[in-house]
Amino acid sequence: AQRVTQPEKLLSVFKGAPVELKCNYSYSGSPELFWYVQYSRQRLQLLLRHISRESIKGFTADLNKGETSFHLKKPFAQEEDSAMYYCALKEAGGFKTIFGAGTRLFVKA
Amino acid sequence: NAGVMQNPRHLVRRRGQEARLRCSPMKGHSHVYWYRQLPEEGLKFMVYLQKENIIDESGMPKERFSAEFPKEGPSILRIQQVVRGDSAAYFCASSPKIDRGAYGYTFGSGTRLTVV
Repeated sequence: AQRVTQPEKLLSVFKGAPVELKCNYSYSGSPELFWYVQYSRQRLQLLLRHISRESIKGFTADLNKGETSFHLKKPFAQEEDSAMYYCALKEAGGFKTIFGAGTRLFVKA
Repeated sequence: NAGVMQNPRHLVRRRGQEARLRCSPMKGHSHVYWYRQLPEEGLKFMVYLQKENIIDESGMPKERFSAEFPKEGPSILRIQQVVRGDSAAYFCASSPKIDRGAYGYTFGSGTRLTVV
């Protein structure tokens, strides 16, 4: 069965420190993976997709099929990065997206 | 483009009443997805609809829950005879027909249902 695991409920780092939000998935086929972010009092929005290999707001995520991971990284955290982050998986060619439980990132001044 | 519109933002119902949650997808989007978020949990898929069709309702509880997306008007998630365990945030997302979510979803602000 498809599953997305985000092992950390809360991650607290200092401003300027590197940050890595972990995501592991369970899926037998070729998944499409996403990171979504929800800032305080805003709606959930797409941050990045693995298929586009992009860097958004300094964040990157690499799909590691061997480790079935899709960790989100940023070399220097900013206070405005404080938010709830969700990793999500969709079957290639399918339509249903499965979400992890989320990790709350808190960047301290 | 107002994006995905959900209303009401907050809904309070007494046990046994009915709750109706509405979702208008983004302009040009014909696919609608409903998710439920219980406290301290992630978003759980409930149902996927296209206009006048339920494509996948594998995440919907077997009883009391139903969804529709009529030819005209918003998608409706209906919960009959609500119980305290239905208290949650309900999110709607939409995507264009052509990609079925391959480029990610556009989410609404959600409806927070509280059953008292």
